[in-house]
Amino acid sequence: ETGVTQTPRHLVMGMTNKKSLKCEQHLGHNAMYWYKQSAKKPLELMFVYNFKEQTENNSVPSRFSPECPNSSHLFLHLHTLQPEDSALYLCASSPSGGRDGYTFGSGTRLTVV
Amino acid sequence: QKEVEQNSGPLSVPEGAIASLNCTYSDRGSQSFFWYRQYSGKSPELIMSIYSNGDKEDGRFTAQLNKASQYVSLLIRDSQPSDSATYLCAAAPNTDKLIFGTGTRLQVFP
Repeated sequence: ETGVTQTPRHLVMGMTNKKSLKCEQHLGHNAMYWYKQSAKKPLELMFVYNFKEQTENNSVPSRFSPECPNSSHLFLHLHTLQPEDSALYLCASSPSGGRDGYTFGSGTRLTVV
Repeated sequence: QKEVEQNSGPLSVPEGAIASLNCTYSDRGSQSFFWYRQYSGKSPELIMSIYSNGDKEDGRFTAQLNKASQYVSLLIRDSQPSDSATYLCAAAPNTDKLIFGTGTRLQVFP
């Protein structure tokens, strides 16, 4: 357990479904991140939150909707996804930004059918 | 464009040898550097951080930083098959996020 917990670990959803990914950190960190990692591809930054405020949206399609109700919780709401959205979705947190490094969660393996 | 460059590999080394992984970065303002290990299908795990020029050792791992050359490396001594993974280099410019390289796949064969 790294201190960053992601649920569910695996998710299979149809293209018309709505689902949410959850991330919770118990480290007292103030920054949280969503990354996408497709098979054999590098990490793609999706969203950055600092002190609950979104500070970066890396041109992510609107079918991905993040929510950060407080500094410890981060959600990624999914709707009308495409098969190419199948990937490992990683949440990370850091004390106050990239300078301190990240702690990653275990990830959610998403399959869109 | 702030970039971190790594050779994708695979880098193949025999068990017991030294594995040398290299990384260059483009933003001279970067202050912090990290090496993550990622096993297939798993999330990245932080193994080393380095902030000053020179070497930093932790067990079988040594990170080396040369800010003048904008170069970071990771040496793994006495490589084991369990070290076989993808190693991600990351740099922190003066922003709120890390910039990751594409990773180098290391294979340690018995």
